Amino acid sequence: DIQMTQSPSSLSASVGDRVTITCRANQSISNYVNWYQHKSGKAPQLLIYGASRLESGVPSRFSGSGSGTDFTLTINGLQPEDFAAYYCQQSFSTVFTFGPGTKVDIK
Amino acid sequence: EVQLLQSGGGLVQPGGSLRLSCEASGFTFTGYAMAWVRQTPGKGLEWVSAFGGSGDSTYYADSVKGRFTVYRDNVKNTLFLQMNSLRVEDTGIYYCAKERFVECRHFDYWGQGSQVTVSS
Repeated sequence: DIQMTQSPSSLSASVGDRVTITCRANQSISNYVNWYQHKSGKAPQLLIYGASRLESGVPSRFSGSGSGTDFTLTINGLQPEDFAAYYCQQSFSTVFTFGPGTKVDIK
Repeated sequence: EVQLLQSGGGLVQPGGSLRLSCEASGFTFTGYAMAWVRQTPGKGLEWVSAFGGSGDSTYYADSVKGRFTVYRDNVKNTLFLQMNSLRVEDTGIYYCAKERFVECRHFDYWGQGSQVTVSS
């Protein structure tokens, strides 16, 4: 199976900060990476698909980049509602895998 | 409006069985693959299983292969997950999710989640 790693595992940030989360695959997966936001007690929400495509309705402060093995999720101007866990997920293989997640909390 | 309404779940002893259901509406159910994703305590999201939109292809994570079975009723627009030989480590919140293929496959809609607790 394709393994996904994320860093950092957690971070503390302030409203207005720029936050960057990285995700790495253990083999090349082209642009088959998606990013989700997950808040406790709620269903996960798709933010970015195909490494860099912003899902409809998602604020433009979220952006994604990367291809091959290294990917990045950036939040430009963190908002109070953005404090949550973020997961990358690969769909290059028929067995999907998620990264271990990055928890973003308030500094 | 796309909706995924989950039911099932609950408390079961190790070795027991449970069935989860996910009733879909607002889209052509047969046109899309569907999947189950879980969140276990203290851990993140884990892809569990999927059923292809066309044909009858099924896929499983190694952690549940041979114990879980995914299937769908295209008349009732419902996805199921039959979970047998449950283990304590299967405890978590289970979500059904609809796949979409644009650029790559991803989950654009999710159910509300079903709690599964495996404990003696």
